[in-house]
Amino acid sequence: AQSVTQPDIHITVSEGASLELRCNYSYGATPYLFWYVQSPGQGLQLLLKYFSGDTLVQGIKGFEAEFKRSQSSFNLRKPSVHWSDAAEYFCAVGGGKLVFGAGTILRVKS
Amino acid sequence: GAVVSQHPSRVICKSGTSVKIECRSLDFQATTMFWYRQFPKQSLMLMATSNEGSKATYEQGVEKDKFLINHASLTLSTLTVTSAHPEDSSFYICSADLAGGGETQYFGPGTRLLVL
Repeated sequence: AQSVTQPDIHITVSEGASLELRCNYSYGATPYLFWYVQSPGQGLQLLLKYFSGDTLVQGIKGFEAEFKRSQSSFNLRKPSVHWSDAAEYFCAVGGGKLVFGAGTILRVKS
Repeated sequence: GAVVSQHPSRVICKSGTSVKIECRSLDFQATTMFWYRQFPKQSLMLMATSNEGSKATYEQGVEKDKFLINHASLTLSTLTVTSAHPEDSSFYICSADLAGGGETQYFGPGTRLLVL
């Protein structure tokens, strides 16, 4: 069965510091992988997605993620966090239906 | 582009009444739309897949007679929570599939339902 694990429930980083949010997945075939961001009381916005090809994918707002098949991971990174990045981030896997991880809440210290 | 709206954004209703939530793709046609439910501080759980012109496909454990889904056009899907109870209070989010394979979903802003 498909599953997604986001090990960190909360992460706090200082503004300007680098960020890495972890995501591990379980999927029976080549996965489609996604990262979404959700602000409080809002829907989800797609940051980036991986279908195939280059394992380092670039997204919006300066985010990137790297697909590592050997580690079943798809970690999200950003070199310099801005206060406006504070939100909840969801990793998802799917090929039709999406299965979401539990989410990681990012807090940014000024 | 690829904007999805939901109406209403929040609704409060009395126990036993029915509530309809609309999901619209504003600038594209979507053969498939999805309905998710999100409990506080939890992730999204897929409730059902809505296909235009056919019956919705419900996930295991979701009562199809309680959560009625209608996808009458390529831009509109509705979720009706029938005989709502306090435990149905939740955040309901829809998504519309742009490409048809489920891999390119655009999400609505969500509907907060509170059943008193």
